[in-house]
Amino acid sequence: QQQVKQSPQSLIVQKGGIPIINCAYENTAFDYFPWYQQFPGKGPALLIAIRPDVSEKKEGRFTISFNKSAKQFSLHIMDSQPGDSATYFCAASSGGNEKLTFGTGTRLTIIP
Amino acid sequence: DAGITQSPRHKVTETGTPVTLRCHQTENHRYMYWYRQDPGHGLRLIHYSYGVKDTDKGEVSDGYSVSRSKTEDFLLTLESATSSQTSVYFCAIRQDWDRGGNEQFFGPGTRLTVL
Repeated sequence: QQQVKQSPQSLIVQKGGIPIINCAYENTAFDYFPWYQQFPGKGPALLIAIRPDVSEKKEGRFTISFNKSAKQFSLHIMDSQPGDSATYFCAASSGGNEKLTFGTGTRLTIIP
Repeated sequence: DAGITQSPRHKVTETGTPVTLRCHQTENHRYMYWYRQDPGHGLRLIHYSYGVKDTDKGEVSDGYSVSRSKTEDFLLTLESATSSQTSVYFCAIRQDWDRGGNEQFFGPGTRLTVL
């Protein structure tokens, strides 16, 4: 059973645009929501994470928006660059749970 | 890279042969994980460990076993490899709670092909 649904599967955006990747979850016990960035041939790297006590978190050009009532969270990349082209994964876990549940990934391409 | 290495990085093997993948960490983290990554499925947890000789199953554990005899090493074994186990395998460690929470950091991966 897919507990974290991620969309879109792939996304192409022009340089400078704002790609948005969405995730929806079912388990209301989830309280930690990280995003990972993965370049070809590399392992996923933690990008940014949020807890449900805030609705938004920014780190540089990356922003997570969180909607607890809708059980959705999204990643926005401001002023996107070709170097942001990668696969992005959302994930979720619940307090005290050692395991992360991952979305299926979004392949993002930023064209010059 | 959180001091995580995986070996081998690439392996081609034949159906029915045993395969062992090794994950090594240098920072004495308690939690270690094995995931597989396949197109359309994202990252799926195979097994994880919460201490020496303490392991538990993930969502896709059938056909896999693990061992952790030392804090720094977590081994994943395919007792009799099948073509469906062709995948990229990632090891991860979890940052300890007192240092920030549930962040997991991944190794570089092992690409396994079962012919």
